[in-house]
Amino acid sequence: QSVLTQPPSVSGAPGQRVTISCTGSSSNIGAGYDVHWYQHLPGTAPKLLIYRNSNRQPGVPDRFSASKSGTSASLAISRLQPEDEADYYCQSYDSSLSVSVFGGGTKLTVL
Amino acid sequence: EMQVVESGGGLVQPGGSLRLSCSASGFTFSNYPMHWVRQAPGKGLQYVSTVSSNGGSTYYAGSVKGRFTISRDNSKNMLYLQMTSLRAEDTAVYYCALGGTIIGGWFDPWGRGTLVTVSS
Repeated sequence: QSVLTQPPSVSGAPGQRVTISCTGSSSNIGAGYDVHWYQHLPGTAPKLLIYRNSNRQPGVPDRFSASKSGTSASLAISRLQPEDEADYYCQSYDSSLSVSVFGGGTKLTVL
Repeated sequence: EMQVVESGGGLVQPGGSLRLSCSASGFTFSNYPMHWVRQAPGKGLQYVSTVSSNGGSTYYAGSVKGRFTISRDNSKNMLYLQMTSLRAEDTAVYYCALGGTIIGGWFDPWGRGTLVTVSS
């Protein structure tokens, strides 16, 4: 059971918009710790997409956006493209555990 | 280009030991905390351990505390993870990653990982 909760899967057709939620608690996201988002394709290195809640890494298309509010955060991907099909993870810090924590991951399927 | 490359994975029996290495290049290694993250087969990413930039502070996930030891050699731009008393549930791809800050920072870049299989 991950400290940060993500939906196991989301899907959308090319051109559509999807959102992936990341729900935490008062000891991590709700405590004010930043949320970061990663894209991971099997067999490859995970790739940082968004850092500090809403900042896109250089080179990441502006179709990717993210926000944080209260004890939750979300990643939005607009104008879906086939190459967006991957696993997406949120990450934050948990003060009760005193370590970084990841969400369980969300598999995005582009229909 | 900032790059990290893991090595040292393999097949080990339950109860055995293994040392993973991570070679860093393209940045001033001694300036940054470094992390290990793992992914078990069919599972998500799981935080493992962090070492501060000078090696003086270390942090561990509860599941590996007391069994794994993270260390670094800044003169060689190398990060290590000494794993002992290995269990089947430690089977995973182990990634090393650079971190901006110890508390609350993001991980970037990551390596492609090295596979550790714990099985008899």
